[in-house]
Amino acid sequence: GAGVSQSPSNKVTEKGKDVELRCDPISGHTALYWYRQSLGQGLEFLIYFQGNSAPDKSGLPSDRFSAERTGGSVSTLTIQRTQQEDSAVYLCASSQGGLSNEKLFFGSGTQLSVL
Amino acid sequence: DQQVKQNSPSLSVQEGRISILNCDYTNSMFDYFLWYKKYPAEGPTFLISISSIKDKNEDGRFTVFLNKSAKHLSLHIVPSQPGDSAVYFCAASGESNFGNEKLTFGTGTRLTIIP
Repeated sequence: GAGVSQSPSNKVTEKGKDVELRCDPISGHTALYWYRQSLGQGLEFLIYFQGNSAPDKSGLPSDRFSAERTGGSVSTLTIQRTQQEDSAVYLCASSQGGLSNEKLFFGSGTQLSVL
Repeated sequence: DQQVKQNSPSLSVQEGRISILNCDYTNSMFDYFLWYKKYPAEGPTFLISISSIKDKNEDGRFTVFLNKSAKHLSLHIVPSQPGDSAVYFCAASGESNFGNEKLTFGTGTRLTIIP
């Protein structure tokens, strides 16, 4: 596709439920990132996928968070037993090769609200 | 610990004047710096970057200045236009993340250009 696509754009869920957020990166981009932005906060790194390498999960805030990237393309971020503090905009980004001087292309994000 | 800091959450500037957005960082391993611009309900988009081997990079109306000794960078927009109204994020990465563009973002500055 022309850009990074994320779905759903908005998700409202009840505390304790599981949610899945989807990201479709730009075709051909080998690097994929998940960030989140909580109210009044900067963009917080969550997880990074690069090609077939093991993902960098160092930013995941708890073991309730996990992510997969199937076939080197689409990625799913799963949050189990959601809590109110998980409410945030979840942003996915991709880049061509994951080098430090490449710019990231972001999707429009998923606004997650946990009631 | 916020390694990239944008101490001004908001800034208002008259159209046609210069906008100056500031960013400070604490991690001396950072050697590549970027500015991203974000409109409401959209993902951040890349604006301009600078490597630590330079102290200035200019692209049209946008100039980024880097002062490594002070661990400070700034984005200058001149002349400011109404379409520049957005949230601006400062971001940094370091060679310690070789091959991994895991950016550390600031909390953002909301710029409003007054017509």
